[in-house]
Amino acid sequence: GEDVEQSLFLSVREGDSSVINCTYTDSSSTYLYWYKQEPGAGLQLLTYIFSNMDMKQDQRLTVLLNKKDKHLSLRIADTQTGDSAIYFCAETYSGYSTLTFGKGTMLLVSP
Amino acid sequence: DAGVIQSPRHEVTEMGQEVTLRCKLISGHNSLFWYRQTMMRGLELLIYFNNNVPIDDSGMPEDRFSAKMPNASFSTLKIQPSEPRDSAVYFCASSLARRQAHYGYTFGSGTRLTVV
Repeated sequence: GEDVEQSLFLSVREGDSSVINCTYTDSSSTYLYWYKQEPGAGLQLLTYIFSNMDMKQDQRLTVLLNKKDKHLSLRIADTQTGDSAIYFCAETYSGYSTLTFGKGTMLLVSP
Repeated sequence: DAGVIQSPRHEVTEMGQEVTLRCKLISGHNSLFWYRQTMMRGLELLIYFNNNVPIDDSGMPEDRFSAKMPNASFSTLKIQPSEPRDSAVYFCASSLARRQAHYGYTFGSGTRLTVV
């Protein structure tokens, strides 16, 4: 079945850039998402990208998609302590299909 | 819109008791998902509904778990009898499912269940 892999932990200093990586196995993935989960809260949709795009930028967030390698990344510029959270990558292939989530990457931003 | 609303936020119960978790979908959404999150197993999909009909309940751990969607805006997840290993955070999420597009899920804030 489909699988989504992420590294479990990333630590950066405030002001640096963070890059969170994700790989997926389903070549028919059409919609790819990044969710953010802060402590004690639910998952919040951060951004998404369609498979016909290579890059999407939204303020401090840049999503890069390499369809050939099935690799998705989320870059956070000028990382702040408020960005400390768990980030989940997710994918699906159609409007009616369910999302497959990775296990999440815990981002720790130190002052 | 107030988003996906879950209640209660926290529930502490004794082993063997019945627990009912509640979820109110976003108006206009037609799909509903129940997830369980633990440190050991991460995020697990328990069951999902489309247009009030259960589509896939293969993630429901055992017969002690049941979920219903009595109308288009409301769902319950019931555990009877509850066991300590059911302790987790339970999330409800909703989405608008359309053939040509996927809009992602909107998650509620979760119910933290502790069974002692």
